[in-house]
Amino acid sequence: ELKVEQNPLFLSMQEGKNYTIYCNYSTTSDRLYWYRQDPGKSLESLFVLLSNGAVKQEGRLMASLDTKARLSTLHITAAVHDLSATYFCAVGSMEYGNKLVFGAGTILRVKS
Amino acid sequence: NAGVTQTPKFRVLKTGQSMTLLCAQDMNHEYMYWYRQDPGMGLRLIHYSVGEGTTAKGEVPDGYNVSRLKKQNFLLGLESAAPSQTSVYFCASTPGWGTEAFFGQGTRLTVV
Repeated sequence: ELKVEQNPLFLSMQEGKNYTIYCNYSTTSDRLYWYRQDPGKSLESLFVLLSNGAVKQEGRLMASLDTKARLSTLHITAAVHDLSATYFCAVGSMEYGNKLVFGAGTILRVKS
Repeated sequence: NAGVTQTPKFRVLKTGQSMTLLCAQDMNHEYMYWYRQDPGMGLRLIHYSVGEGTTAKGEVPDGYNVSRLKKQNFLLGLESAAPSQTSVYFCASTPGWGTEAFFGQGTRLTVV
């Protein structure tokens, strides 16, 4: 069974601080995604990571993938209030019939 | 370009009633997914399809049925609604392996 675990589930941080969200998954993955969701809204794609060692950056967010450790991280640099949202990682696997399975999400609150 | 469109956006059902949620995409995507989102549980995969005429069970398929008679449409049916099916339902589509999934705006369903 394909399982995806995120931690922490809730993160409250001060503006200007750095932090990392972790995403662990249970089996061989073909693709790893990060999404953002604002309250009452749909999901917005942030990153798609396809290979071991992949690193992608957009603004204050950087995502990386270590397929050997079955771990992806989303690093937040110098947080600002606008980054407050819920962040999800999702794992897709051809081994599991192309399912796309999500983690429980990390609620991020950036305090001024 | 509409992307992924879900119909309806809101619905209130009485226990035991049936209904169908429609997901339509105009991007010629092969893969389509139905999720439900409940507080603290992230998105859970209900059913998915890897092409026209195909469907497969996800993590929480009980109480739901799906059909993919046309490539652009993925229907989610509730034959006899229960209060436990109160949730926000999201549909997503993707061209295939290695590409991001695009989400609809969600359907908020309440079963009373």
